[in-house]
Amino acid sequence: DTAVSQTPKYLVTQMGNDKSIKCEQNLGHDTMYWYKQDSKKFLKIMFSYNNKELIINETVPNRFSPKSPDKAHLNLHINSLELGDSAVYFCASSRDRNSPLHFGNGTRLTVT
Amino acid sequence: ELKVEQNPLFLSMQEGKNYTIYCNYSTTSDRLYWYRQDPGKSLESLFVLLSNGAVKQEGRLMASLDTKARLSTLHITAAVHDLSATYFCAVDAPLSGNTPLVFGKGTRLSVIA
Repeated sequence: DTAVSQTPKYLVTQMGNDKSIKCEQNLGHDTMYWYKQDSKKFLKIMFSYNNKELIINETVPNRFSPKSPDKAHLNLHINSLELGDSAVYFCASSRDRNSPLHFGNGTRLTVT
Repeated sequence: ELKVEQNPLFLSMQEGKNYTIYCNYSTTSDRLYWYRQDPGKSLESLFVLLSNGAVKQEGRLMASLDTKARLSTLHITAAVHDLSATYFCAVDAPLSGNTPLVFGKGTRLSVIA
């Protein structure tokens, strides 16, 4: 029944590794997002996908790449992980601009 | 670039008291959202404000939007401990060339007995 689900919930890895976070929504929404929340709780948009097309790409390092196999999924791949990548990553979806975002439960990434 | 500022960033208030959280933003927008986040949890949508003068109320929380002043307020009435959380406002300004839903830094509310 979960509307927006992310896996894994926790991810601990070493610097230099490559990892992926998966996100799926069963709401039928057209747009999905990835947000990063740092240790100070600041939320910043990373990517947005609408109907499988990237419509926003903030100035994030190109080590981060979103991949959307279909409208219900938006996965986040991260290459060559760095200490500064440690944060909570939230996936979200929305029906349209007049509707609120529905957030997943977050993935806490710790890079050691 | 759209900037969204909330104040205060930290708020400790006694049960039963009233208080207001402010959210100012820098460019024209008629869409503003309020979210709540409990520690270690996800964000939950509280209010969607889509026009100037919009006012929404849910329980002890009331949100309003003044697009001319570029200001939204979240008013807390007779606070109870269960309201302790971090509250975020987020602004959608698609015409500004910025990304949608830019979030404020959040107001960490602690309600004490």
